[in-house]
Amino acid sequence: ETGVTQTPRHLVMGMTNKKSLKCEQHLGHNAMYWYKQSAKKPLELMFVYNFKEQTENNSVPSRFSPECPNSSHLFLHLHTLQPEDSALYLCASSQDQGREAFFGQGTRLTVV
Amino acid sequence: GQQLNQSPQSMFIQEGEDVSMNCTSSSIFNTWLWYKQDPGEGPVLLIALYKAGELTSNGRLTAQFGITRKDSFLNISASIPSDVGIYFCAGQLYTGNQFYFGTGTSLTVIP
Repeated sequence: ETGVTQTPRHLVMGMTNKKSLKCEQHLGHNAMYWYKQSAKKPLELMFVYNFKEQTENNSVPSRFSPECPNSSHLFLHLHTLQPEDSALYLCASSQDQGREAFFGQGTRLTVV
Repeated sequence: GQQLNQSPQSMFIQEGEDVSMNCTSSSIFNTWLWYKQDPGEGPVLLIALYKAGELTSNGRLTAQFGITRKDSFLNISASIPSDVGIYFCAGQLYTGNQFYFGTGTSLTVIP
C-alpha cells in the first residue's frame, strides 16, 4: 500500500461537469497539499491544510474547492473548469507543514 | 514566487556514465530537496538537505547543499536505464514553510 493514494488516476470532464479528486495518506502526517503540474512549468502549490485547517490558498480560482474532513483525507472539488485547467494534480503530505512532502501518483485531468 | 533554475534542462547519456545537475536561486534557502518523477507518476523524494555544505548520499545518488545556500547539486554515478526520468529540486526559504520547485532536468539513459 502506497503512502499517499490518489483517485481517480485519470479524469476527463466537460466544462459544465462537477467532479471530485480524492487523496488519502497512510503516513500519519498532519499536513496535506494540492499541487498542479503543467507541462514545462514548476509545480504550483494550490492549497495547504495543517491539522485539517486550511493554512494556504495560493490565489486559486474558486472553481477549485478543497475539503479536508480529517488529517488523512483531502478532496479537490471541481466545477465549471476551463481547458487550461488540464494538468496533473498532485496530492502530497508531510509530517508537519514545512517538512518534506511525499507525493501521490497524481490525477491526470483533461477538460474538454 | 521564487524561481529555481535547474540545469541542464535535459541530458542524454550512455549507460554507466556519471551525471551531474544543479539548481540555483537568487534567494537563500534553508532546506533543499531532490525528487525524481517517472512518467505518469508522482515525484518521489530522493534526498533532503538541511545544512549548508551538507553532502548526503542515497545509493548511487549524492546531493550537496551549496555553501552560499543559493544552490544545490545532484550527482548520479554509474547510471542505469531505470535512472530515466525527470529530476526536480525544491527549496525552502529561510523565512517560510513553502517549498518552491524547479522546472526539472529530464534524464535519458541510452543502453
